[in-house]
Amino acid sequence: QQPVQSPQAVILREGEDAVINCSSSKALYSVHWYRQKHGEAPVFLMILLKGGEQKGHDKISASFNEKKQQSSLYLTASQLSYSGTYFCGTEIRANYGGATNKLIFGTGTLLAVQP
Amino acid sequence: DGGITQSPKYLFRKEGQNVTLSCEQNLNHDAMYWYRQDPGQGLRLIYYSQIVNDFQKGDIAEGYSVSREKKESFPLTVTSAQKNPTAFYLCASSRGRAYNEQFFGPGTRLTVL
Repeated sequence: QQPVQSPQAVILREGEDAVINCSSSKALYSVHWYRQKHGEAPVFLMILLKGGEQKGHDKISASFNEKKQQSSLYLTASQLSYSGTYFCGTEIRANYGGATNKLIFGTGTLLAVQP
Repeated sequence: DGGITQSPKYLFRKEGQNVTLSCEQNLNHDAMYWYRQDPGQGLRLIYYSQIVNDFQKGDIAEGYSVSREKKESFPLTVTSAQKNPTAFYLCASSRGRAYNEQFFGPGTRLTVL
């Protein structure tokens, strides 16, 4: 049930773009994205609730393809502060179509932005 | 300021001892969660609670126990039955349903010697 994230790690220069993918084998109700810096708590980035929904703030955005059971996180013009491990958290759709109220997190994508 | 507190930040215990990790929130959130984080494995759900006096097992509940006697508190006990308890433990809370943002505490790093 654990979603698969790709790539596992990526190294960027400041100003470069990156895409992180999250794929589930189950039908999804929602997808969360979090960023965690080493030794710290994960910090919320965004939630996508509807298939086809796209969200974003500043230079970080995400999309949710409900049909493909996938979500992607887009980081454009990366900054040093973007470094960290990015996790997607997927909420599987229950058999009746509603929410299951618990998240299953992927194994994370380590992003390192270099000057 | 509202937030989630976990204590202590670092905890050392001898093998065979039970240990209780504290999690308190003053955000007035209904739902609370416990996760375990090991290197390379992301966050795995141990237990979660959507209302006071009710909780459900997550994916790796064996060897753990919880209680939810108050809305603001959700302590986790790591029992001697947990075969590999050394890990980073994170507590989180949300407004009630999982599709709401989860706020995480700073975590407790437990080391069993």
